[in-house]
Amino acid sequence: QKEVEQNSGPLSVPEGAIASLNCTYSDRGSQSFFWYRQYSGKSPELIMFIYSNGDKEDGRFTAQLNKASQYVSLLIRDSQPSDSATYLCAASGGSGGSYIPTFGRGTSLIVHP
Amino acid sequence: KAGVTQTPRYLIKTRGQQVTLSCSPISGHRSVSWYQQTPGQGLQFLFEYFSETQRNKGNFPGRFSGRQFSNSRSEMNVSTLELGDSALYLCASTGGGQFTEAFFGQGTRLTVV
Repeated sequence: QKEVEQNSGPLSVPEGAIASLNCTYSDRGSQSFFWYRQYSGKSPELIMFIYSNGDKEDGRFTAQLNKASQYVSLLIRDSQPSDSATYLCAASGGSGGSYIPTFGRGTSLIVHP
Repeated sequence: KAGVTQTPRYLIKTRGQQVTLSCSPISGHRSVSWYQQTPGQGLQFLFEYFSETQRNKGNFPGRFSGRQFSNSRSEMNVSTLELGDSALYLCASTGGGQFTEAFFGQGTRLTVV
């Protein structure tokens, strides 16, 4: 069974710091990786996706992928209180050819002023 | 470009009743996936429809069913509701192929009493 593991947190960081969120996946054949942000009571919002090993930067967000270690991370620079949310990691395209993403349970991030 | 639209936003039903939820995907997207989200289990995949056919199915009982119409709109039905069916039901819209991101609707909050 495909699994995506995340530390549930909460991860607490001060405003302006770098928040580092991590995720591991079990299906070595996974090809696409996504990070979603979900505010309490709202639906998940896609913030980053990455397909290739290495780093991908978008504004204050950097996604990092290491397929050899089956590890994905999300760095949030200059964290703001508005970044406080649950961050869901997802992986898709693994064995069996399914493109349905498997989601982790999410990491709660708290950015305190 | 309109996003994913789910209706209704909130529902209260009693045990034993049935319910139908609706999802209109992003224009041009042919794949619609349904998820159940609860605090204890996270995001659980229900099923995916692509071009009016169920392409993937999660591990939910037969009380959960769905369909997709020729305009890609999808409905999900839950029969003989149980208290444990109380959850946020999310639909996600994708283009349906590899390396495509999933975009979520606002969800339907179902409460079974």
